[in-house]
Amino acid sequence: QKEVEQNSGPLSVPEGAIASLNCTYSDRGSQSFFWYRQYSGKSPELIMSIYSNGDKEDGRFTAQLNKASQYVSLLIRDSQPSDSATYLCAVPRSNTGNQFYFGTGTSLTVIP
Amino acid sequence: GAGVSQSPSNKVTEKGKDVELRCDPISGHTALYWYRQSLGQGLEFLIYFQGNSAPDKSGLPSDRFSAERTGGSVSTLTIQRTQQEDSAVYLCASRNVPYGYTFGSGTRLTVV
Repeated sequence: QKEVEQNSGPLSVPEGAIASLNCTYSDRGSQSFFWYRQYSGKSPELIMSIYSNGDKEDGRFTAQLNKASQYVSLLIRDSQPSDSATYLCAVPRSNTGNQFYFGTGTSLTVIP
Repeated sequence: GAGVSQSPSNKVTEKGKDVELRCDPISGHTALYWYRQSLGQGLEFLIYFQGNSAPDKSGLPSDRFSAERTGGSVSTLTIQRTQQEDSAVYLCASRNVPYGYTFGSGTRLTVV
């Protein structure tokens, strides 16, 4: 089992819909979780972090964390074509804390 | 500086030549990371520096790769005797725990 798993996609949603991106992780000791957005040809950009079970909302983005199920998700409401990108899930290693496991990313396309 | 700065942004080199890639992290960030990303692939960890501790070199793919970090700030990744399979985007990131990584814009290396 990989340390962080994401569906590679591609995931396509119509403009205005909700996009749901999922991530599972294997390290039960992980305490913090991060979502990055990477546009084609660009470097990853941090968009959300979550540290506690439950939901965390920031504008159109909501991160959801369930540590018991080792599951973290990112919801994008009112999806826009500008949201089309690859979304990477990142989880710090519990034994070092400073180094992250990265998922391979989910490619999202928002169709106008 | 305000962000992580990498130079050069693009580098084309002949097979067998040595290259040096530079990273200037965000001031005050004690953790510095090098990753590489081949076209359409995920992030591949290379090396991690934390303060004055010995670096974690576990991701370096061969002894042709080395990195140093001088004065706890600027880092240089050196690739000796470059091969075509070294062609990729080399990403540097820095971090101030417990926050996420901040990536630089990367160096696109092409070995011809």
